Amino acid sequence: SQQGEEDPQALSIQEGENATMNCSYKTSINNLQWYRQNSGRGLVHLILIRSNEREKHSGRLRVTLDTSKKSSSLLITASRAADTASYFCATDMAGANSKLTFGKGITLSVRP
Amino acid sequence: GAGVSQSPRYKVAKRGQDVALRCDPISGHVSLFWYQQALGQGPEFLTYFQNEAQLDKSGLPSDRFFAERPEGSVSTLKIQRTQQEDSAVYLCASSLFRTNTEAFFGQGTRLTVV
Repeated sequence: SQQGEEDPQALSIQEGENATMNCSYKTSINNLQWYRQNSGRGLVHLILIRSNEREKHSGRLRVTLDTSKKSSSLLITASRAADTASYFCATDMAGANSKLTFGKGITLSVRP
Repeated sequence: GAGVSQSPRYKVAKRGQDVALRCDPISGHVSLFWYQQALGQGPEFLTYFQNEAQLDKSGLPSDRFFAERPEGSVSTLKIQRTQQEDSAVYLCASSLFRTNTEAFFGQGTRLTVV
């Protein structure tokens, strides 16, 4: 079963615009991670935010975590065509041996 | 190695055939995970190793699925008597520690059962 639910399911934007993707989950977590997957390829780790953190930045990425609402958002600023990919949030549930529970993913298309 | 390596990248199996999928994790990584990803879906957990010990196999869909990591490094996922519903991408991931660390994924093995 998949704990995380991302929205929107698909997002299409113009190069240079910002992309915001949201994720909700159901149970207590140790941390939440965002991954990118290009078509036919493996997952690339983007950022990890721990349950006691509220916001984290990495380059053009900004992640927020609201444990009271059990939700997270990923913001990609100044998007590029190369950002076109599927994005997944994954939760590391408390007491679950660090196995990750993924959502169904968001398909982001950045038009040049 | 520089990253997690999986082989083969693609496997076509006839229904009923046994298959073995290999994962070479990043050297020194304690944790190793196998996930199954169906088309258009997110990865779903299959099993977890801490060194050579298989600590969680709750995600294995049936007793046709078996995984091992005998020396705490390379792992093999074996599927016996493959069925069409086993068609998916099988992803291996490793991480340095047991908790709160990023997982590094391999490129996956795309299994097609015909």
